Amino acid sequence: DADVTQTPRNRITKTGKRIMLECSQTKGHDRMYWYRQDPGLGLRLIYYSFDVKDINKGEISDGYSVSRQAQAKFSLSLESAIPNQTALYFCATSGGTSGRPGDNIQYFGAGTRLSVL
Amino acid sequence: AQSVTQLGSHVSVSEGALVLLRCNYSSSVPPYLFWYVQYPNQGLQLLLKYTSAATLVKGINGFEAEFKKSETSFHLTKPSAHMSDAAEYFCAVSDPGANSKLTFGKGITLSVRP
Repeated sequence: DADVTQTPRNRITKTGKRIMLECSQTKGHDRMYWYRQDPGLGLRLIYYSFDVKDINKGEISDGYSVSRQAQAKFSLSLESAIPNQTALYFCATSGGTSGRPGDNIQYFGAGTRLSVL
Repeated sequence: AQSVTQLGSHVSVSEGALVLLRCNYSSSVPPYLFWYVQYPNQGLQLLLKYTSAATLVKGINGFEAEFKKSETSFHLTKPSAHMSDAAEYFCAVSDPGANSKLTFGKGITLSVRP
């Protein structure tokens, strides 16, 4: 089983619909992240969470919201989807707060491919 | 603020040829540097990392990278390309702090010709 699981893997929705992308992890990590990937733009950070009570905006948070339901679960919502939110979305986790070098390594899920028509 | 520059979006090499993927970074503090690989229809996986120890870092699948502070570079190399190396490669930078985030480059697609 994957350590970082994203559901669904693919989703097609219509403009104006609310959708939720889910992420769960079995790595026991404190920190979780949501990115979107667009061709030629790399990965851009949407939101991140360093523990259950901590939520932070990334560089492109407009139009998105998140919920950290538990240490292992971090959901991304599009309140009213629009076509330019069509992208590949990744969840990632990283571990610990000790500042050890290995703690900065991020582990990624397989991604959710979202199309907004 | 930190940033990563990966020049070009696509590199094509012949099987058996040297692979060189360039990465330059900008950081106000000594950085941690990473290379990730993304195979088709998969998430990103770590190839190798530099965290202020040895400047020449060896990773999985025969890849290595050298941290050059004077050139602010962290180029990825492999002596002999294999067909299975065809993928997208991302360079990323973070600061060493406990709550640091990764900043990714735009990625480079590597094609390997038979």
